[in-house]
Amino acid sequence: DVKVTQSSRYLVKRTGEKVFLECVQDMDHENMFWYRQDPGLGLRLIYFSYDVKMKEKGDIPEGYSVSREKKERFSLILESASTNQTSMYLCASSPWGASGELFFGEGSRLTVL
Amino acid sequence: GENVEQHPSTLSVQEGDSAVIKCTYSDSASNYFPWYKQELGKRPQLIIDIRSNVGEKKDQRIAVTLNKTAKHFSLHITETQPEDSAVYFCAASRGGGYNKLIFGAGTRLAVHP
Repeated sequence: DVKVTQSSRYLVKRTGEKVFLECVQDMDHENMFWYRQDPGLGLRLIYFSYDVKMKEKGDIPEGYSVSREKKERFSLILESASTNQTSMYLCASSPWGASGELFFGEGSRLTVL
Repeated sequence: GENVEQHPSTLSVQEGDSAVIKCTYSDSASNYFPWYKQELGKRPQLIIDIRSNVGEKKDQRIAVTLNKTAKHFSLHITETQPEDSAVYFCAASRGGGYNKLIFGAGTRLAVHP
């Protein structure tokens, strides 16, 4: 059974703080993704990675960066958190190859005050 | 850029009725169309998907139809039950190794006993 684990379910940070969101998957998947979920806007892709040290911008990368130093771990970084980054962040993984299922983590709800 | 529009945003039905959710996509190169269900407080999970070489696919009470010419696809749920209450997301992908999905904004389905 695929497991995608996000390190923090709930975080409260202050404006200007640096924020790290961690995601680990245990199925040796090549692809990993960070989505942001907001009511009425669905799931919007921030960044994705298809290999260690490889990253690609999604639809809303501004204000975010990512790191993938190991295959199983994909980190989302907010260099200087702002109130408009208050949201639910979902990590997902999938194997490389023909289109198939994305496996999501439980989500990290971030509040920036 | 790539875009997926989803309607309606909310849907309320009586138990036993049918529910239909519709999506349109902009990228004519899209060839994979999954549907995800997200129950309250839970992670999104794949419930059914369809590929561009197929016009319809069924799995018990749920079915998806695809019209590539019109660039739209739909989810049909028959004999709805209260446990079908959730947010449903459609998505589209060009396929290939990245497995990058573009999601619709979601439909909140409420099934009333």
